[in-house]
Amino acid sequence: DVKVTQSSRYLVKRTGEKVFLECVQDMDHENMFWYRQDPGLGLRLIYFSYDVKMKEKGDIPEGYSVSREKKERFSLILESASTNQTSMYLCASSIQPNNEQFFGPGTRLTVL
Amino acid sequence: GQSLEQPSEVTAVEGAIVQINCTYQTSGFYGLSWYQQHDGGAPTFLSYNALDGLEETGRFSSFLSRSDSYGYLLLQELQMKDSASYFCAVRDSGYSTLTFGKGTMLLVSP
Repeated sequence: DVKVTQSSRYLVKRTGEKVFLECVQDMDHENMFWYRQDPGLGLRLIYFSYDVKMKEKGDIPEGYSVSREKKERFSLILESASTNQTSMYLCASSIQPNNEQFFGPGTRLTVL
Repeated sequence: GQSLEQPSEVTAVEGAIVQINCTYQTSGFYGLSWYQQHDGGAPTFLSYNALDGLEETGRFSSFLSRSDSYGYLLLQELQMKDSASYFCAVRDSGYSTLTFGKGTMLLVSP
């Protein structure tokens, strides 16, 4: 079974802190994605990566950056956390050319 | 811009059939997916339609009409465990990125 793991289920940070969210997948998938999910807004794509060291902006990249140094690991970075970044963050992966995305359990981030 | 419209909430009783509609307006279109998400859980893949027509997987079926920019998810023989949120999502690029709808909460009652 494909497994996507995220470093924390719950995280509380202060405004202005640098935050790292880690995601690891164990199935050698080329594609990895970061979404945020907010009530009534569905899932919105922040960044994605289709290969090691490659990254592309999604629909809402402002305030975020990403890093993919190894194929299995995709990190989301909040350079200076703000309260409007309080959200559920979901990581996903997929293999070309399949269309199914496999999601991790999510990290619920609260920025105070 | 990209937009997907689906009802915010649908209610039904056990054993019934329910249809969740999705209409979309996206700059690119490769196919329509459906995902299920239980409260507190991760989204899980249900189906993908690239071509017009009906795809059946057990109690769930998904339909696509590309000319109408419309699809639906059909759930038959509803069970209590089907209470969840259901998201339609358009694959809109060659990178396999998805644009998601806002989700439909399905409430199944006894």
